[in-house]
Amino acid sequence: AQSVTQLGSHVSVSEGALVLLRCNYSSSVPPYLFWYVQYPNQGLQLLLKYTSAATLVKGINGFEAEFKKSETSFHLTKPSAHMSDAAEYFCALMNSGGYQKVTFGTGTKLQVIP
Amino acid sequence: DADVTQTPRNRITKTGKRIMLECSQTKGHDRMYWYRQDPGLGLRLIYYSFDVKDINKGEISDGYSVSRQAQAKFSLSLESAIPNQTALYFCATSGNTGGNNQPQHFGDGTRLSIL
Repeated sequence: AQSVTQLGSHVSVSEGALVLLRCNYSSSVPPYLFWYVQYPNQGLQLLLKYTSAATLVKGINGFEAEFKKSETSFHLTKPSAHMSDAAEYFCALMNSGGYQKVTFGTGTKLQVIP
Repeated sequence: DADVTQTPRNRITKTGKRIMLECSQTKGHDRMYWYRQDPGLGLRLIYYSFDVKDINKGEISDGYSVSRQAQAKFSLSLESAIPNQTALYFCATSGNTGGNNQPQHFGDGTRLSIL
């Protein structure tokens, strides 16, 4: 079985502050991991993905995430929050065993305070 | 993602009615998915299809059915809608070129309310 846990359903940061959104996973095989962002009234958009090539993954809009196998984590960070980063963020895990099943976390809503 | 189009975007209907949500894509992907999103629960997979002749149940398929009319079209039906099927529904696609780790591409969703 595979699972994804996102700690904190709501996170608030000040504009210009560090953004840290937490994701922990459980998987019996090496995982592929993704972060998606959802803006109001829109579908999910891919921010970045980890596919075992490099543990530090850079994505769009200045976001990056680091895969830490020992901690089973894939936390999303951005050095300086911008108002436009306010959205809901989803961590997702795909089983690398062949079938493209994706398990999503429950999401974290990011609020950016001016 | 304009390449994945869902219709309608919003629908209000009554308990017991039959509802069809449609999804079409121009990405040329073989794989298509239907999810529902509920607050605090993330996205849950209803059905998925890896090609026109391949349909599979997801984790919450009860009360739903699907039809893959063509590579580009994948529709979701609620035969007799009930209030707890009120949710935001997403269609997604993915390719398999380049390996099995391809991300999914989502439509903008259908907000369904069942009274």
